[in-house]
Amino acid sequence: SYELTQPPSVSVSPGQTASITCSGDKLGDKYVCWYQQKPGQSPVLVIYQHSKRPSGIPERFSGSNSGNTATLTISGTQAMDESDYYCQAWDSSTAVFGGGTKLTVL
Amino acid sequence: QVQLQESGPGLVKPSETLSLTCTVSGGSISSYYWSWIRQPPGKGLEWIGYIYYSGSTNYNPSLKSRVTISVDTSKNQFSLKLSSVTAADTAVYYCAREEAVADTNWFDPWGQGTLVTVSS
Repeated sequence: SYELTQPPSVSVSPGQTASITCSGDKLGDKYVCWYQQKPGQSPVLVIYQHSKRPSGIPERFSGSNSGNTATLTISGTQAMDESDYYCQAWDSSTAVFGGGTKLTVL
Repeated sequence: QVQLQESGPGLVKPSETLSLTCTVSGGSISSYYWSWIRQPPGKGLEWIGYIYYSGSTNYNPSLKSRVTISVDTSKNQFSLKLSSVTAADTAVYYCAREEAVADTNWFDPWGQGTLVTVSS
């Protein structure tokens, strides 16, 4: 079965740029989404179709995807961005999630 | 603005069938795909399957033998049944709408989730 691999944790200082990666075989050939999940809350879509932002998602969130790696980039990271982030793609009509990355802003 | 709300028993005995319903408000269930996704405590997300409003379904191969998803358009609801549950099925279960454009889908919005514990 298809697998997406994310680093368990990423740390960033406030105001700096955070990059969260998601790796999978030929992932660049697939559309990737990213979800933000704060403790005790439901996931929220922050990026879809590689790099599009839903309405209400700040411009500091951006996405890219090439080769075997997709990247979620948060520019000017704020304390409110501290969350778990999950990448997601489709393979053989099955939705696959990455294991999640805990972003710490310190 | 579409909202989703899960409902159902929070405790299910081993070997029994887990049953949950998702009620959609603020919009019609028609013309969309609707999914169930679960998250074991402290762990990541796992897609269970989806149903189209017309009734066609697609399930995660890892759960396919135990899963049934159905839709009731008259009530604007869709439901999940997971049979022969074990402790490994203990999780927060989310329902979500799938947006579909071109050849890709994404999940938005999600319900608040409901914790189902499998225990005797």
